[in-house]
Amino acid sequence: GESVGLHLPTLSVQEGDNSIINCAYSNSASDYFIWYKQESGKGPQFIIDIRSNMDKRQGQRVTVLLNKTVKHLSLQIAATQPGDSAVYFCAENRHSSASKIIFGSGTRLSIRP
Amino acid sequence: KAGVTQTPRYLIKTRGQQVTLSCSPISGHRSVSWYQQTPGQGLQFLFEYFSETQRNKGNFPGRFSGRQFSNSRSEMNVSTLELGDSALYLCASSLERRDSPLHFGNGTRLTVT
Repeated sequence: GESVGLHLPTLSVQEGDNSIINCAYSNSASDYFIWYKQESGKGPQFIIDIRSNMDKRQGQRVTVLLNKTVKHLSLQIAATQPGDSAVYFCAENRHSSASKIIFGSGTRLSIRP
Repeated sequence: KAGVTQTPRYLIKTRGQQVTLSCSPISGHRSVSWYQQTPGQGLQFLFEYFSETQRNKGNFPGRFSGRQFSNSRSEMNVSTLELGDSALYLCASSLERRDSPLHFGNGTRLTVT
């Protein structure tokens, strides 16, 4: 079946450490991937995206890695801060219309002081 | 640039009533999608509109409907409300481009009693 899944539902990280959130996808035709951050009481916020012709993309304190061989996506957050506490979703987009965007179930990231 | 605006933020309705939710997309975005988010089901696609036409529809009963206006603003309507309709309803807009991410509003929290 088609799915975008998360390896762990929760992740606890020490403040200042790096966080790695993983995501697996099942459809080889997926050509565009997006990470979202959702804080309590807010809608999902776009963090970073990557096309399938790339292996890595960096943003401000975030890096997304794409391994098409094993259909795996990861989000790395450097020097994790309390404000990074949120649920993180990966999403895959196989076509231009939104209906083809499939969201994972999310990983809750909590930060230990 | 203003983000996606959804109104109202909170709604409390009783079973059998109907409700209309409103969404104003980011300026220049002509594609508007609606999602239902619940703790148990995650983000579920409702429908997508582009140029006042419904382009795709998710697997929801006919009680859920929507429309888009010429200025790209969108509304969704739920008739004959059921307890299970309690959820966060999210609107997202995007550019009409294959690798354009969805940009979400903060949602309307609907509670059906």
